[in-house]
Amino acid sequence: NAGVTQTPKFRILKIGQSMTLQCTQDMNHNYMYWYRQDPGMGLKLIYYSVGAGITDKGEVPNGYNVSRSTTEDFPLRLELAAPSQTSVYFCASSPGTGFEQYFGPGTRLTVT
Amino acid sequence: AQSVTQPDIHITVSEGASLELRCNYSYGATPYLFWYVQSPGQGLQLLLKYFSGDTLVQGIKGFEAEFKRSQSSFNLRKPSVHWSDAAEYFCAVGAPNQAGTALIFGKGTTLSVSS
Repeated sequence: NAGVTQTPKFRILKIGQSMTLQCTQDMNHNYMYWYRQDPGMGLKLIYYSVGAGITDKGEVPNGYNVSRSTTEDFPLRLELAAPSQTSVYFCASSPGTGFEQYFGPGTRLTVT
Repeated sequence: AQSVTQPDIHITVSEGASLELRCNYSYGATPYLFWYVQSPGQGLQLLLKYFSGDTLVQGIKGFEAEFKRSQSSFNLRKPSVHWSDAAEYFCAVGAPNQAGTALIFGKGTTLSVSS
């Protein structure tokens, strides 16, 4: 099992550009999450999904969109990138509510 | 609302010395509890978890944690720290019966190991 994979590992965007961060898991987990991690701030939840076709906002959803068409994939879309979106983004999956989450290696995004 | 507090932002420990990282949580019932470790440039790796039962849980890499309901704490310990333990450590809580909720993470404690 590869677990949770994320692409790309690094990306530099210009202000106003858009991009999609990819996340795939091969553990057949229903729950998937997107976090951003900023220095000294821990992890903040952007969006989550409890199954294919079902998504919901987390703590910091503004400027992002998600979709979940399959169990395996949970892409995160950034529209009109802003410097405030410079961060490290982690995707995670979980077998159920409250259980441990399995994290991908992260995507380091810089918006200049 | 649920919350997690890690009071120590940065701790330095000598190699071979013991370690204790503090974690306090706020939750109405007994939550699920986790410790994760993040090495520089890496994702988060689960060290250990507590769901129920024995309040002293063993994890990977020689770590253990003790759940104390009366103190709402779940402190992480290691009897002898190795240089490779230098990393950032996150405590997290999960709500067992709230559908769709994610884990709540503390802000992390950075561990440095001196020789």
